[in-house]
Amino acid sequence: ETGVTQSPTHLIKTRGQQVTLRCSSQSGHNTVSWYQQALGQGPQFIFQYYREEENGRGNFPPRFSGLQFPNYSSELNVNALELDDSALYLCASSWGTGADTQYFGPGTRLTVL
Amino acid sequence: AQTVTQSQPEMSVQEAETVTLSCTYDTSESDYYLFWYKQPPSRQMILVIRQEAYKQQNATENRFSVNFQKAAKSFSLKISDSQLGDAAMYFCAFKGYGNKLVFGAGTILRVKS
Repeated sequence: ETGVTQSPTHLIKTRGQQVTLRCSSQSGHNTVSWYQQALGQGPQFIFQYYREEENGRGNFPPRFSGLQFPNYSSELNVNALELDDSALYLCASSWGTGADTQYFGPGTRLTVL
Repeated sequence: AQTVTQSQPEMSVQEAETVTLSCTYDTSESDYYLFWYKQPPSRQMILVIRQEAYKQQNATENRFSVNFQKAAKSFSLKISDSQLGDAAMYFCAFKGYGNKLVFGAGTILRVKS
């Protein structure tokens, strides 16, 4: 059984740029959720994707957007990067939107200069 | 909105001893799930233990057990026979009817040899 994978491991961008982060869900899982974890804090829910559509969103502006593909993998896109976007971005997969347990990937560390 | 509070920013335990991490939450829902996740320096969020609110019996996973007090909205994690590998950030998390996990701010656990 393949776990959740994310790429890249880390990257550095400058303010105003755009970034795409990728996530492959655990085999058998059809739902992907994205979280932002600022340094020293708990993760905050960004949004969830199910059947290639957004299925719930946290308190994040529209410049945070996503996609889910037919193979259930997902992308998180962030436009017009701001310094405060520097964080660890975690992807979690689950079976179904109501699934109680989400399994996390190793995260992507984004630094915005 | 649900909230999760971890009042202990940092805890220390001697190797082989027992430590308890505290968590309280606030919700108006009657059916939900509670989790403890471990995040070592490698950043991977690892599921430690889960509790279903409708189950009165406290969950146990090897050296990890919880004390779930539904009326008090309390969900503490007990780690027995602590090992050096237990050193990490521990997050308490809540999942209700919605599709997102709500996390606490975390507790850093240090294990002394």
